[in-house]
Amino acid sequence: NAGVTQTPKFRVLKTGQSMTLLCAQDMNHEYMYWYRQDPGMGLRLIHYSVGEGTTAKGEVPDGYNVSRLKKQNFLLGLESAAPSQTSVYFCASRFQGGNQPQHFGDGTRLSIL
Amino acid sequence: GENVEQHPSTLSVQEGDSAVIKCTYSDSASNYFPWYKQELGKGPQLIIDIRSNVGEKKDQRIAVTLNKTAKHFSLHITETQPEDSAVYFCAASIFRDDKIIFGKGTRLHILP
Repeated sequence: NAGVTQTPKFRVLKTGQSMTLLCAQDMNHEYMYWYRQDPGMGLRLIHYSVGEGTTAKGEVPDGYNVSRLKKQNFLLGLESAAPSQTSVYFCASRFQGGNQPQHFGDGTRLSIL
Repeated sequence: GENVEQHPSTLSVQEGDSAVIKCTYSDSASNYFPWYKQELGKGPQLIIDIRSNVGEKKDQRIAVTLNKTAKHFSLHITETQPEDSAVYFCAASIFRDDKIIFGKGTRLHILP
């Protein structure tokens, strides 16, 4: 049982390049989330999904797109990377229903030059 | 919407002493309050949570208290050890809400 796995762990991009971050969970969770973590800013929600085929915007969605084609996977895409997107990205998942804890992956550290 | 304030942003305590981290929330409908610990290079991990029908919860050296009237909750770590050094996040959510709101975190240093 691996929990939440994020791929890749590190990546360096040039401004304007695109990439996709992959999150996979093996806990049969319905809900999945993408956050970014910046110094002094805590965890900010980018997008989330409450089930296969559904997505919704969070607090800071601009410049990102997501897809949830399979229940166990949640992809975060950057179409045209900008230096402001340099951050550590965390994926989380949880069961549906109220008051359920989120389980986090170990993050992807992304630098945009 | 919900807003969670967390204090202090940095806390240093001598090994063996107690540490207290405090959070306030704005939405009185919030009823679930988890605490996460984030070690260097890792993702946040749930260490304890409390629901609004409970005023206090303990798990070994960790305890959380909730004051619904004042809309604040606190994390207490007793007999601190070097491995307690980490960043701690509080959070709040409303039942049936899809999202959870995090505080900005407290960096806890345990001094030898």
